[in-house]
Amino acid sequence: EIVLTQSPGALSLSPGERATLSCRASQSVASSHLAWYQQKRGQAPRLLIYGASSRATGIPDRFSGSGSGTDFTLTISRLEPEDFAVYYCQQYGSSPPYTFGQGTKLEIK
Amino acid sequence: EVQLVESGGGLVQPGGSLRLSCAASGFTFSTYWMHWVRQAPGKGLVWVSRIHSDGSTTTYADSVKGRFAISRDNAKNTLYLQMNSLRAEDTAVYYCARGGFYSTDAFNFWGQGTMVTVSS
Repeated sequence: EIVLTQSPGALSLSPGERATLSCRASQSVASSHLAWYQQKRGQAPRLLIYGASSRATGIPDRFSGSGSGTDFTLTISRLEPEDFAVYYCQQYGSSPPYTFGQGTKLEIK
Repeated sequence: EVQLVESGGGLVQPGGSLRLSCAASGFTFSTYWMHWVRQAPGKGLVWVSRIHSDGSTTTYADSVKGRFAISRDNAKNTLYLQMNSLRAEDTAVYYCARGGFYSTDAFNFWGQGTMVTVSS
């Protein structure tokens, strides 16, 4: 089973700042099958990024993903008030289970 | 518009059973892998189970193997999760999520979830 470790666990930033979230896998993620999801309180997760770097439909271009192998990054270039949420990475490339990271909580400073 | 609407959650005693449903609309349900993902209160996301578009292949997390059964009725555009021998640690919000045409596709639509509480 691939274990995903996200860092930091929580991040306090101000609107307009840049956010950099990390996701490290315990072994290489096949074909960059790495996704990022955003979850706001009381809501279902929403797909932001798939294939490590492709934005899902309707996702603003301030969200970008990068990385391969075992190290992946989600970057939010300029934080908007609606971006403060919990972010999860997920690998969906190898045989199940499709593991998730433990999440990074992005908080308003 | 793609919609996934879960139902069937509730309070159940340890050892009991529950069947969750997920009604799908706005897309050709019979061509997509479907998944169940759960989230315990205040915790992260955990993948539970998946089923192939035609129902021929099912897979489970080790934590639910032998107790849960995923199924689908493509004529009714509905996904199911039969949960037996429930434990306190199964308490969570259960989400259905749409995969893709392939098993190696991300989960691009999610329902709003249904809460399952296992307690005496």
